[in-house]
Amino acid sequence: EPEVTQTPSHQVTQMGQEVILRCVPISNHLYFYWYRQILGQKVEFLVSFYNNEISEKSEIFDDQFSVERPDGSNFTLKIRSTKLEDSAMYFCASSGGPSNTGELFFGEGSRLTVL
Amino acid sequence: QQQVKQSPQSLIVQKGGISIINCAYENTAFDYFPWYQQFPGKGPALLIAIRPDVSEKKEGRFTISFNKSAKQFSLHIMDSQPGDSATYFCAPTQGGSEKLVFGKGTKLTVNP
Repeated sequence: EPEVTQTPSHQVTQMGQEVILRCVPISNHLYFYWYRQILGQKVEFLVSFYNNEISEKSEIFDDQFSVERPDGSNFTLKIRSTKLEDSAMYFCASSGGPSNTGELFFGEGSRLTVL
Repeated sequence: QQQVKQSPQSLIVQKGGISIINCAYENTAFDYFPWYQQFPGKGPALLIAIRPDVSEKKEGRFTISFNKSAKQFSLHIMDSQPGDSATYFCAPTQGGSEKLVFGKGTKLTVNP
């Protein structure tokens, strides 16, 4: 069964460092997303991406964040100058395959720890 | 503004019992009402979803009940099994947007 894969599964970084989280969405999907979940809190939308541009973003997704689809398979989230409060589980998701039911398919997440 | 309120925060049920989780929302523009299931160490996965043109949808042991006037929808798990132990999120959205608005989650534990 096709799945969304994310790397790394866990990254520890120092405050102020740049981090890139990588995702390989399901191959025939057209819409890509990043969500995050701070420990013990709800899952929050960060950004959606379609046709090589951001289609929607939340208030959380400020200039510190950027997304990119550098090639036909990867979708990345870059966090510049990480802060302590960026520590969270980051989930990539994709949707919009041929059946396009509206279902989002999530990866297993990348846990980011900022020290 | 808290758009989505989910209850209870945690739920313990005996095997074979019925689990009921509720979600209340404020945004009347929501038109897609899914429940996501998340196991530890995994991402959320769609369990069942409903659109507002029907009041109930059943898939196996899982049923969504939708009350448009009360702005609520609920998940019922019949004959609950230990394998159902997970965190459940309601995550409504609107107008074709895939910006899901997640509730805070309900941790379900089904005892054998």
